[in-house]
Amino acid sequence: EAQVTQNPRYLITVTGKKLTVTCSQNMNHEYMSWYRQDPGLGLRQIYYSMNVEVTDKGDVPEGYKVSRKEKRNFPLILESPSPNQTSLYFCASSLNGRRNEQFFGPGTRLTVL
Amino acid sequence: GESVGLHLPTLSVQEGDNSIINCAYSNSASDYFIWYKQESGKGPQFIIDIRSNMDKRQGQRVTVLLNKTVKHLSLQIAATQPGDSAVYFCAESSWGKFQFGAGTQVVVTP
Repeated sequence: EAQVTQNPRYLITVTGKKLTVTCSQNMNHEYMSWYRQDPGLGLRQIYYSMNVEVTDKGDVPEGYKVSRKEKRNFPLILESPSPNQTSLYFCASSLNGRRNEQFFGPGTRLTVL
Repeated sequence: GESVGLHLPTLSVQEGDNSIINCAYSNSASDYFIWYKQESGKGPQFIIDIRSNMDKRQGQRVTVLLNKTVKHLSLQIAATQPGDSAVYFCAESSWGKFQFGAGTQVVVTP
């Protein structure tokens, strides 16, 4: 089944404790992206990747890191999480970054205490 | 309608009526526009898209209209059904960078 998977789905952590949210897609898509969703603000793009070893900042990249060492995986790293990073995170992928439908993962709900 | 950064508006529609959701976008360089539907507890789901060289595109029960002159996007849903109740987001894109609107809550009443 074609899909985007994220792990973990739920995470409660404490300020400053490094964490990684994994994202994987099995559709051989070139483009992958991370978003955070907060009430009243819609989805805001954190980072995106047009292809392997190519990453770019979205609108809210501060406090996050990403890497794209292989096509199928695009992990989101929070080196020192803070409470304002408490949010619902979505990973998405598409065939390429230009004019193609994005497929979204199920989301990761992160709480930073 | 919705616009980037505004609080979530609500559209109440009677079952069987047509729905129109509006969206104002901000970037004149955006060349790709998409509508997504998000049901509670799920990730956004693609509905329909349109490229900047078009002004109208139709899908199954949905139509997207693009007016580049006033930077306006709309989604029309024909014969709205209870299953259409959800939050609807518009998004604009330029070279892989996406910006989403805040969303419109659509509530379908019997």
